Amino acid sequence: KNEVEQSPQNLTAQEGEFITINCSYSVGISALHWLQQHPGGGIVSLFMLSSGKKKHGRLIATINIQEKHSSLHITASHPRDSAVYICAVQLGGSNYKLTFGKGTLLTVNP
Amino acid sequence: EPEVTQTPSHQVTQMGQEVILRCVPISNHLYFYWYRQILGQKVEFLVSFYNNEISEKSEIFDDQFSVERPDGSNFTLKIRSTKLEDSAMYFCASSGTGAGEYFGPGTRLTVT
Repeated sequence: KNEVEQSPQNLTAQEGEFITINCSYSVGISALHWLQQHPGGGIVSLFMLSSGKKKHGRLIATINIQEKHSSLHITASHPRDSAVYICAVQLGGSNYKLTFGKGTLLTVNP
Repeated sequence: EPEVTQTPSHQVTQMGQEVILRCVPISNHLYFYWYRQILGQKVEFLVSFYNNEISEKSEIFDDQFSVERPDGSNFTLKIRSTKLEDSAMYFCASSGTGAGEYFGPGTRLTVT
């Protein structure tokens, strides 16, 4: 059974700080997703990774397939980054269903 | 930018009633999913749908649940006889081959 573990569960930061959220998983995967969920509930896909590193604006996602580990970094954090960040993995084959972590609640204070 | 839409945004129903949650996936996508998130818990996979049939379902997706793609654009989740524990946020998602999943905004189902 594939388990997806995220750390920390909760993270409070001051505006401008560099943020790191970690994700580890237990079995081989074909891709890993980082998702953002705002208080209203909607889910937005931030990144899909199968290797290496991706950057979008102030967000950077990395993955180490051998170590079964991924990180999401936010540079120069801002209060509008406050949300739940969720790591989810897909096992591959022809079914792209996702297995989710519990999420990390990020609060960025001004 | 294309998006997945879901209706209604909030549904309140009485225990034992049938509900149908509706989703319009992105038009050229081939894979469709329903997920649910009970308040305070992680998102859980319910069912995936490809080529007009269920490709995988979780243990949550029992005989009370069904999915349909009635007209080539809508994708529906039906719960035949709702229970209190069905109260959750239900997300529809779609993906093309190799693409990341696109999520709808969710339907909050409240069973009283």
